[in-house]
Amino acid sequence: EVQLVESGGGLVKPGGSLRLSCAASGFTFSSYSMNWVRQAPGKGLEWVSSISSSSSSIYYADSVKGRFTISRDNAKNSLYLQMNSLRAEDTAVYYCARDLYSSVLDCWGQGTLVTVSS
Amino acid sequence: QSALTQPASVSGSPGQSITISCTGTSSDVGGYNYVSWYQQQPGKAPKLMIYDVSNRPSGVSNRFSGSKSGNTASLTISGLQAEDEADYYCSSYTSSSTLFGTGTKVTVL
Repeated sequence: EVQLVESGGGLVKPGGSLRLSCAASGFTFSSYSMNWVRQAPGKGLEWVSSISSSSSSIYYADSVKGRFTISRDNAKNSLYLQMNSLRAEDTAVYYCARDLYSSVLDCWGQGTLVTVSS
Repeated sequence: QSALTQPASVSGSPGQSITISCTGTSSDVGGYNYVSWYQQQPGKAPKLMIYDVSNRPSGVSNRFSGSKSGNTASLTISGLQAEDEADYYCSSYTSSSTLFGTGTKVTVL
């Protein structure tokens, strides 16, 4: 069974940092691009970042560029999102999602909540 | 990186058909046949319902169908059922990102 499990969310103060992880199982992780997508409370989906299977191509939304860093460890079947200089507007549930190809996100984790508040 | 435009809400009675539109530009929806649709039930992760404009993943009911004309894509739900009540999001591939729609709440009357 294909499964994605996020972890690392929590409460952090503005300006702080947090590292999210996504553990993948049930498929050949190293063959797929991966994405982070977030959803602020009561709001819509917002794409955050993507990384290709070999980490050769990485993209970010303008809203997080320069503050967030996506990475992956294919040996550990894991995806990461390092979030620095966090702002209140970064408060959201963060989902990791498998990219079948060309932004077709066919498998999603259950999400992890990040709350940025003093 | 502006969001694709969807109606905020659409409603219909059981058995009816409804259509949700998703409007973008020639740089996203109009430029690629990589439009997807996702269903999100309250408190749950999104679920892929349509990909490549009109293809259904295995296990998705054939009551869901997709189409595209120019810069606007559409999702049609036929034979509306109570279980279809949810939020729906379109998305489009671009050369450097994934764009999501603003989301549509579907209510079954």
